[in-house]
Amino acid sequence: AQSVTQLDSQVPVFEEAPVELRCNYSSSVSVYLFWYVQYPNQGLQLLLKYLSGSTLVKGINGFEAEFNKSQTSFHLRKPSVHISDTAEYFCAVSEPGGTSYGKLTFGQGTILTVHP
Amino acid sequence: GAGVSQTPSNKVTEKGKYVELRCDPISGHTALYWYRQSLGQGPEFLIYFQGTGAADDSGLPNDRFFAVRPEGSVSTLKIQRTERGDSAVYLCASSSPGLASDTQYFGPGTRLTVL
Repeated sequence: AQSVTQLDSQVPVFEEAPVELRCNYSSSVSVYLFWYVQYPNQGLQLLLKYLSGSTLVKGINGFEAEFNKSQTSFHLRKPSVHISDTAEYFCAVSEPGGTSYGKLTFGQGTILTVHP
Repeated sequence: GAGVSQTPSNKVTEKGKYVELRCDPISGHTALYWYRQSLGQGPEFLIYFQGTGAADDSGLPNDRFFAVRPEGSVSTLKIQRTERGDSAVYLCASSSPGLASDTQYFGPGTRLTVL
């Protein structure tokens, strides 16, 4: 069984500062990794995903994440945040092949609040 | 439509009542997922459809929950004898063709409140 742990439930940061949102996962098999963002009163939107290849993945809105297999982590980073990045961020995994059918296992979410 | 739509956006019901939640996926998407998001938690998988059939319903919490997708497009999640613990946001997502590597596109959700 897979599980995802987001280590911080809330992250406050000032505008233009860098930010890192942490995600660790556990799985007995290889996984695909995703970061989704949820703005207030909107649906979840994909930021980026890691399937294979380069461990550094770039996504929308200037976000990037690095897959670290040895540490089973997939931390999300942005070098300079904006007020508009205030939202809740979810890390998720899916299992290639088998009978998972792409169902996602999500972490508990991290609320990023950017202050002026 | 351009994205996944869900109706109603909010549903308030009384304990013991029956409710239906509707999901209209992106046109042409064969895979459809239902998730449930309780307050302060991440979404949890409920059921997956590939076309008209439920390929995986392992996430349904009990037999009060049922979902259908009779024509392979719109899906309805049905909850019988609602309980206060069923209160949550119910999310629908679609993708194509339904591989683990696919991006799932989520609707805005239906907020269900059971009084």
